[in-house]
Amino acid sequence: GQQVMQIPQYQHVQEGEDFTTYCNSSTTLSNIQWYKQRPGGHPVFLIQLVKSGEVKKQKRLTFQFGEAKKNSSLHITATQTTDVGTYFCAFTGANSKLTFGKGITLSVRP
Amino acid sequence: GAVVSQHPSWVICKSGTSVKIECRSLDFQATTMFWYRQFPKQSLMLMATSNEGSKATYEQGVEKDKFLINHASLTLSTLTVTSAHPEDSSFYICSVPTPGGDEQFFGPGTRLTVL
Repeated sequence: GQQVMQIPQYQHVQEGEDFTTYCNSSTTLSNIQWYKQRPGGHPVFLIQLVKSGEVKKQKRLTFQFGEAKKNSSLHITATQTTDVGTYFCAFTGANSKLTFGKGITLSVRP
Repeated sequence: GAVVSQHPSWVICKSGTSVKIECRSLDFQATTMFWYRQFPKQSLMLMATSNEGSKATYEQGVEKDKFLINHASLTLSTLTVTSAHPEDSSFYICSVPTPGGDEQFFGPGTRLTVL
């Protein structure tokens, strides 16, 4: 079935540095969603992208859906310690079922 | 405020016992709810779809007789882990899709530890 890949699974950055992560699929996706899970917490919805080439911004976070709708990126400008957590990309398939990528765990050195 | 609640937030039980986890949609009615399992440092894996008024649909590899799901009302779904074993220890999370949308609200999760 359809899958999304997130590599690497861990990334460490210095506070203030920018951070970019990618989510890739071998097949065209109808949509891509991004979630953030803080340590010990539950996933929290960040954004959904549905259009080819779509770009959405939330303060320091920029999300993009690829032209072919096979990949997506999340960019964080000037990371802060509050950005720590695991970022999952996911897509909805039949019957609103969500399929998650493995996630990338971001740590930020103060 | 919270959109989805789960109870209990954590539970420790002995091997062989059954544990019931409740998931409540607080803001809107939900004919569908989802149950996920997350092992440490891993992603969320969909276990089953809870359907109000009909049987739950289970993902491949999930034992329906072991993980009993009851969608008791339009705001409540329960997951019962029957005859729990240590390998069932995990973080169980429910989610509720928004009416007419693709966004899902997740409950705070239930951490199950089976001794």
